[in-house]
Amino acid sequence: EVQLVESGGGLVQPGGSLRLSCAASGFTFSNFYMSWVRQAPGNGPEWVANINQDGSGKYYVDSVKGRFTISRDNAKNSLYLQMNSLKVEDTAVYYCARWGWGWDYWGQGILVTVSS
Amino acid sequence: EFVLTQSPGTLSLSPGERATLSCRASQSVSSNYLAWYQQKPGQAPRVLIYGASSRVTGIPDRFSGSGSGTDFTLTISRLDPEDFAVYYCQQYGSSPWTFGQGTKVEIK
Repeated sequence: EVQLVESGGGLVQPGGSLRLSCAASGFTFSNFYMSWVRQAPGNGPEWVANINQDGSGKYYVDSVKGRFTISRDNAKNSLYLQMNSLKVEDTAVYYCARWGWGWDYWGQGILVTVSS
Repeated sequence: EFVLTQSPGTLSLSPGERATLSCRASQSVSSNYLAWYQQKPGQAPRVLIYGASSRVTGIPDRFSGSGSGTDFTLTISRLDPEDFAVYYCQQYGSSPWTFGQGTKVEIK
């Protein structure tokens, strides 16, 4: 069974940092493109970042470029999102998602709250 | 930026009725790389359709996608009680990948 489990969320002050992790199981992690997708309260989903299978290609939405870094460790079947210089508008539930035919598997989501 | 506009915002229908949801793109979607997702409260989105018209394995055949270029449609042929949810279209042909704002299908 495919499982994606996020961790590392919580409350952080504006300007602070947080690192999200996503533990993958039930599939060959190194074969798949992976993503972070977020959803602010009451809003629709928003794509944040993608990483290709070997980690050599990374892509970001403009609003997080230079502040967020996506990475992966295929040996540990793990995906990461390093979030720096956090802003109030980064408050959202963050999902780890596998890109297959569309985002075909999602984690349960982890809440990140940026507030003073 | 690539904008997807979904209509209507809310669709009020009864179980057994047909639902037709529209997604219009601000520019042509490359290779018809458009997906549809269903989301229920407190859950992650679930992919229904990819490539504009290909149904994901395990999705009931009452869900169908159509369209090309800038105009796409998700049709639910006969609404089941479990189908009342919010539906999003999403394009993955151009970066940044973007979602529409959603259509809520509610029980009339």
